[in-house]
Amino acid sequence: DAKTTQPNSMESNEEEPVHLPCNHSTISGTDYIHWYRQLPSQGPEYVIHGLTSNVNNRMASLAIAEDRKSSTLILHRATLRDAAVYYCIPADSGNTGKLIFGQGTTLQVKP
Amino acid sequence: DSGVTQTPKHLITATGQRVTLRCSPRSGDLSVYWYQQSLDQGLQFLIQYYNGEERAKGNILERFSAQQFPDLHSELNLSSLELGDSALYFCASSPSYRPGNTEAFFGQGTRLTVV
Repeated sequence: DAKTTQPNSMESNEEEPVHLPCNHSTISGTDYIHWYRQLPSQGPEYVIHGLTSNVNNRMASLAIAEDRKSSTLILHRATLRDAAVYYCIPADSGNTGKLIFGQGTTLQVKP
Repeated sequence: DSGVTQTPKHLITATGQRVTLRCSPRSGDLSVYWYQQSLDQGLQFLIQYYNGEERAKGNILERFSAQQFPDLHSELNLSSLELGDSALYFCASSPSYRPGNTEAFFGQGTRLTVV
């Protein structure tokens, strides 16, 4: 399983962009990079995923380094509702079906 | 609402007892995952089933077992409960057994308290 390194915590001001980094230097060539978040007292929630090129959806953007050893989740305008723990997960696209969560980054959003 | 339903939401039981947690996946999803989240361990992957068959196994104790039924709902059985089993247990579902290019949807969890 690929290992990930994320900052323990980050702070942002409301309505400002947030860049959440993740290092996954041992990622395999076929692993997709997934991001999930967990709001307080809720189950994890899918945010975005990608393989090689940058991805956008209504929630966020995902920028993947050319060597795929790191990625950055971008929240374009943080809101108070975005305060959560954000997990970066290399997802095995092979036969094993595990999503392995690390410690994640706790994002605080200040009004 | 993720479409994944877990019951019960809360469960309090005594040490040594056995409990069953239930998960109904999203309509059409064939894969079910179980996770344990305790304060000191984070989200730990326990086991995955796909269309009734065990697909992947994580740090699941021998006292714990799971199965997926023909209607695709899944149950996680926890026996000989210990205080340390107190945790949130999450179920997730996805259309495929390969999580690579598909998203997983999580339920709201069952909070188990062992006293």
